[in-house]
Amino acid sequence: GQSLEQPSEVTAVEGAIVQINCTYQTSGFYGLSWYQQHDGGAPTFLSYNALDGLEETGRFSSFLSRSDSYGYLLLQELQMKDSASYFCAVRGASGGGADGLTFGKGTHLIIQP
Amino acid sequence: NAGVTQTPKFQVLKTGQSMTLQCAQDMNHNSMYWYRQDPGMGLRLIYYSASEGTTDKGEVPNGYNVSRLNKREFSLRLESAAPSQTSVYFCASSEVVGRLAKNIQYFGAGTRLSVL
Repeated sequence: GQSLEQPSEVTAVEGAIVQINCTYQTSGFYGLSWYQQHDGGAPTFLSYNALDGLEETGRFSSFLSRSDSYGYLLLQELQMKDSASYFCAVRGASGGGADGLTFGKGTHLIIQP
Repeated sequence: NAGVTQTPKFQVLKTGQSMTLQCAQDMNHNSMYWYRQDPGMGLRLIYYSASEGTTDKGEVPNGYNVSRLNKREFSLRLESAAPSQTSVYFCASSEVVGRLAKNIQYFGAGTRLSVL
């Protein structure tokens, strides 16, 4: 099976930097994704890592270490609108491009002024 | 840009009733998915469809059936609703991009279902 572990809640200050960690166990690995979900909203795609290293998209970056089965999402210059839940996710074990995702339970990010 | 559209947005059922959740996408994606999300939980995959005419079970398929009516539409049916099926249901479609097979999923707004 597949499982992902991430902290349930993180608190940070507006303008600061925060890192949300994710460790995973999978029978086959086909990339680690990150999604953002505001309260009452739908998940939206943020970032994807298939290879080791850092991927940067504006204020958000995501890192992957396949040897450690570990990744993180880094949010810089935090804004109040970044208050949301963040989910890491891996693709299904069959390797097919259409596989659904297995999600972690999510990290609730609280931004304080 | 409609993206992924789900109906209804809210529904209350009595135990034993049946209903169908509708989902349609206008992005010409081959793959579509149904997830459920319970409080404090991540999304769990119920069923998915890699292409028109095919469906496969996900992590939690029991109590559900699906139909991939055409490329655009993927419906989820509860034949005999149970209180354990109270949840928020999300439909998604996806495209696979690039040589690293990035699978980006686009979600509908969700259906909030209560079974009494």
